[in-house]
Amino acid sequence: SQTIHQWPATLVQPVGSPLSLECTVEGTSNPNLYWYRQAAGRGLQLLFYSVGIGQISSEVPQNLSASRPQDRQFILSSKKLLLSDSGFYLCAWSVPRESYNSPLHFGNGTRLTVT
Amino acid sequence: QQQVKQSPQSLIVQKGGISIINCAYENTAFDYFPWYQQFPGKGPALLIAIRPDVSEKKEGRFTISFNKSAKQFSLHIMDSQPGDSATYFCAASDRGSTLGRLYFGRGTQLTVWP
Repeated sequence: SQTIHQWPATLVQPVGSPLSLECTVEGTSNPNLYWYRQAAGRGLQLLFYSVGIGQISSEVPQNLSASRPQDRQFILSSKKLLLSDSGFYLCAWSVPRESYNSPLHFGNGTRLTVT
Repeated sequence: QQQVKQSPQSLIVQKGGISIINCAYENTAFDYFPWYQQFPGKGPALLIAIRPDVSEKKEGRFTISFNKSAKQFSLHIMDSQPGDSATYFCAASDRGSTLGRLYFGRGTQLTVWP
């Protein structure tokens, strides 16, 4: 069965420090991968998605970047965190669109607090 | 621009009552409408989904009603239980597009009182 791992679960970082959040998926090949940010009252904001190794698309201009060094690994990074980067970050995967009813599978998220 | 509009933002229901959450969309290319349920500290999980060729889908106490002409769909939770207390997100996607990405509503925080 497929599983998604996301870590760390919580993170407190000072302003100006770097960030690296990692997500890995097991049990599937060539998944679509996503990074979402969730803010209270604003729902789920898609930050980045990837349809293959090295292929990253950005949805929102921001202080963050993403990379996909391996088929089932997705990394969210920042060189210098801002206070506004605080939030709940969710990694997700889906089967490529050949499967009509393929749902989006989320990890359990990382609660990031920038102080 | 919000592709999917969800209401209410919060909902309080007594145990045994019916919870109703509504969503509306504009893009007529959308052809897949899932609902996600999220408990505190966890990621959202797929609850139930519907395609536009049916007007209703029921799974246990959860029912999606879909009105294609009005471009609206809703989630009904019958006999609501305290364990249903969670945040619910509606979503929509155009499965024929390159990514088939999901557009989410802003969520409804449901509290069911015992």
